[in-house]
Amino acid sequence: GAVVSQHPSWVICKSGTSVKIECRSLDFQATTMFWYRQFPKQSLMLMATSNEGSKATYEQGVEKDKFLINHASLTLSTLTVTSAHPEDSSFYICSARDSSGRVTYEQYFGPGTRLTVT
Amino acid sequence: SQKIEQNSEALNIQEGKTATLTCNYTNYSPAYLQWYRQDPGRGPVFLLLIRENEKEKRKERLKVTFDTTLKQSLFHITASQPADSATYLCALGDDKIIFGKGTRLHILP
Repeated sequence: GAVVSQHPSWVICKSGTSVKIECRSLDFQATTMFWYRQFPKQSLMLMATSNEGSKATYEQGVEKDKFLINHASLTLSTLTVTSAHPEDSSFYICSARDSSGRVTYEQYFGPGTRLTVT
Repeated sequence: SQKIEQNSEALNIQEGKTATLTCNYTNYSPAYLQWYRQDPGRGPVFLLLIRENEKEKRKERLKVTFDTTLKQSLFHITASQPADSATYLCALGDDKIIFGKGTRLHILP
């Protein structure tokens, strides 16, 4: 149980284009999902918290107009990197918390999406 | 600001021995502390969560301690195996968690 998928697993795009990454909880419902970015040999940095049916909450320094988040259902959140630039190249990882039943704080992570902007 | 430090960037341990990883934190009083495993090019996998009122937690060959006075957690893997080689991340918080940079553990056969 507690499986989270991400699609695509890797993507290469040209500078100035937009890329959408999907995050799905496969066997549980998640009212809250999180989006992280990880640079090589660095820690996971939280970008935003995605709440089903409401606006995402962005961390300081993360441009909400550049990283659009939509959490349209209890099992799907999407991150769109708009007008991507080479400095946006990174490993993007989503996570979800199981919201059915008792309150828990462990997060279940997707496999990540490697974005390369040329 | 809140800071998490994991004792070393890399750690080599002989197979069969106990691996001990350290996580120290400052400017924070978390109610929960978590440990995750991350393999190269993959997302983290949840291992254990320990609450501030728990001193120790075990799961199979894993043991975590949480000392809120020292602001430190120790993560132990007993009878280590080469398959335990990975990066281990310490994470603090509940609703929103902050991750340390991780310790790359190599179990040498």
